[in-house]
Amino acid sequence: DAGVIQSPRHEVTEMGQEVTLRCKPISGHNSLFWYRQTMMRGLELLIYFNNNVPIDDSGMPEDRFSAKMPNASFSTLKIQPSEPRDSAVYFCASMKTENTEAFFGQGTRLTVV
Amino acid sequence: SQELEQSPQSLIVQEGKNLTINCTSSKTLYGLYWYKQKYGEGLIFLMMLQKGGEEKSHEKITAKLDEKKQQSSLHITASQPSHAGIYLCGAGYNQGGKLIFGQGTELSVKP
Repeated sequence: DAGVIQSPRHEVTEMGQEVTLRCKPISGHNSLFWYRQTMMRGLELLIYFNNNVPIDDSGMPEDRFSAKMPNASFSTLKIQPSEPRDSAVYFCASMKTENTEAFFGQGTRLTVV
Repeated sequence: SQELEQSPQSLIVQEGKNLTINCTSSKTLYGLYWYKQKYGEGLIFLMMLQKGGEEKSHEKITAKLDEKKQQSSLHITASQPSHAGIYLCGAGYNQGGKLIFGQGTELSVKP
């Protein structure tokens, strides 16, 4: 298996634009997590899904952020409109079953100018 | 996450020295994870502890979970430059699968 695949690896966008980050979890994994990492706040959990259903989105900072998981092999995190303070590395991770090893993607480095 | 505190925030050691990183939870843990991250890369799984008093080792890295399941320590013996990176502890608090992380400890190993 290729592991968790995120795209794009790098994204530079202008303030106000819509940004969509993509994640393909490992086949057969039932849980998917979206995290944001910054120097100031560390690695924050934004939202996680079990069996494609959002379980906890309490970490989503604002209504500008939304996440979907239309099927077991794909998830998106959308920011609209983007702001400079959204600049961070966004990670996706998947887990086969609850409370087992979480596998992380390589991350998407987002810069909003 | 404020529920999970790591210390120290950063650490510089001489190659060959031992070191310990601590992770403390404000609540009883269901599972405790240790990950390592190189700058600009994803997280690499080291080990997971679930039972009170459990101890696991991976090469020269040993992690323990206390009996109350609220504290864990990561110990590196005879550190090498390859051990440098950011070490993060993660916690699951129930069977629901939610996984949160501490702020991380940045380790530098000087040759």
